[in-house]
Amino acid sequence: AQTVTQSQPEMSVQEAETVTLSCTYDTSESDYYLFWYKQPPSRQMILVIRQEAYKQQNATENRFSVNFQKAAKSFSLKISDSQLGDAAMYFCAYRSNSGGGADGLTFGKGTHLIIQP
Amino acid sequence: GAGVSQSPRYKVAKRGQDVALRCDPISGHVSLFWYQQALGQGPEFLTYFQNEAQLDKSGLPSDRFFAERPEGSVSTLKIQRTQQEDSAVYLCASSWARSSYNEQFFGPGTRLTVL
Repeated sequence: AQTVTQSQPEMSVQEAETVTLSCTYDTSESDYYLFWYKQPPSRQMILVIRQEAYKQQNATENRFSVNFQKAAKSFSLKISDSQLGDAAMYFCAYRSNSGGGADGLTFGKGTHLIIQP
Repeated sequence: GAGVSQSPRYKVAKRGQDVALRCDPISGHVSLFWYQQALGQGPEFLTYFQNEAQLDKSGLPSDRFFAERPEGSVSTLKIQRTQQEDSAVYLCASSWARSSYNEQFFGPGTRLTVL
């Protein structure tokens, strides 16, 4: 079974600064996807960014980028120019591609990101 | 159209009662997932539907949990004889196709409290 570990229960960053959230995972598979989801206090989970394991290039979405290290099984999220609206729980998630789309997401425990004005 | 909706948003049940939680996925979405999120934890996978077929129910914690999607659209998660450990937020997610790449769109969840 796959596991996802987020070792930072809480992180705090000054507005406009850069913050990196850590995520490691354990799997014996080679074909999978990794995701970062944001869950604001309203609880609706929103996809932030995704990475295909077969791609070496790190995914980027505006102020959000990842550092994907496949050999180390590490998938960190960098948020640049942090904004007050970035405050939320952030979940790292893994999804196997072996089930052809039938697999659910495996989530970490989350990191609570606080933005200091 | 509208996003994934769930009802009720909050449910309080006495231990031993049966509850039914509803999920309305985004129109046209083939895949539907249920997750359970305990307080302070990440969501955990419960079950998966492709249209009306329940293809994976490996995450259901006990035979008290039952899910259905009879017409391939709306889904209901039923919990029989609720226990205190069932208290959690139940999240529903849908995606438009059967592919691990496809984004899952989540609903706001139903917070179940069992007294």
